[in-house]
Amino acid sequence: SYVLTQPPSVSVAPGKTARITCGGNNIGSKSVHWYQQKPGQAPVLVIYYDSDRPSGIPERFSGSNSGNTATLTISRVEAGDEADYYCQVWDSSSDPSRVFGGGTKLTVL
Amino acid sequence: EVQLVESGGGLVQPGGSLRLSCAASGFTFSSYDMHWVRQATGKGLEWVSAIGTAGDTYYPGSVKGRFTISRENAKNSLYLQMNSLRAGDTAVYYCAREVTTGAFDIWGQGTMVTVSS
Repeated sequence: SYVLTQPPSVSVAPGKTARITCGGNNIGSKSVHWYQQKPGQAPVLVIYYDSDRPSGIPERFSGSNSGNTATLTISRVEAGDEADYYCQVWDSSSDPSRVFGGGTKLTVL
Repeated sequence: EVQLVESGGGLVQPGGSLRLSCAASGFTFSSYDMHWVRQATGKGLEWVSAIGTAGDTYYPGSVKGRFTISRENAKNSLYLQMNSLRAGDTAVYYCAREVTTGAFDIWGQGTMVTVSS
């Protein structure tokens, strides 16, 4: 099965930039999607196709993907960005074919 | 408003069965692939099943043979029949819509399934 590896936690001060990584074998050849999940709520799509933002998602959220690492970048971090973040890919040759990373808890100091 | 609303969760004994439903509204349900994703308390997201617009179905090995996903387009509804339930199936179950990029752009609020004696 295809494995996505995320750091369990990332901490950042308000107004600074947070970077959350998602590692996978040759992940740069796949489309990576990112979700934000706040406590007690359903996940929300914040980045799709590596770097595209759905409507309503602030420009502060951006993504990149190359080699073995995809990265979600949150600029000018706000207290409201504190949440769990998950990366996800589709790998048709893997079981399961839809794979999520283990999640990263973003803490705003 | 585009919306997904799950129902049918509850407490079930090990070895038992449960059927979850997901009611879709605000979009052309028949035009989208649909999925179930679950999350155990304090854990990450786990993909459970998918159904395409043509009714083709997909499962991970962990639930294949025990879970069955289905859809009823006339009722804008998605279902998950879960049999031979185990303690490890205890989780919040979300239905989600997949867009052409492969991302899940709309999620329901989830329904809790507890497998315990």
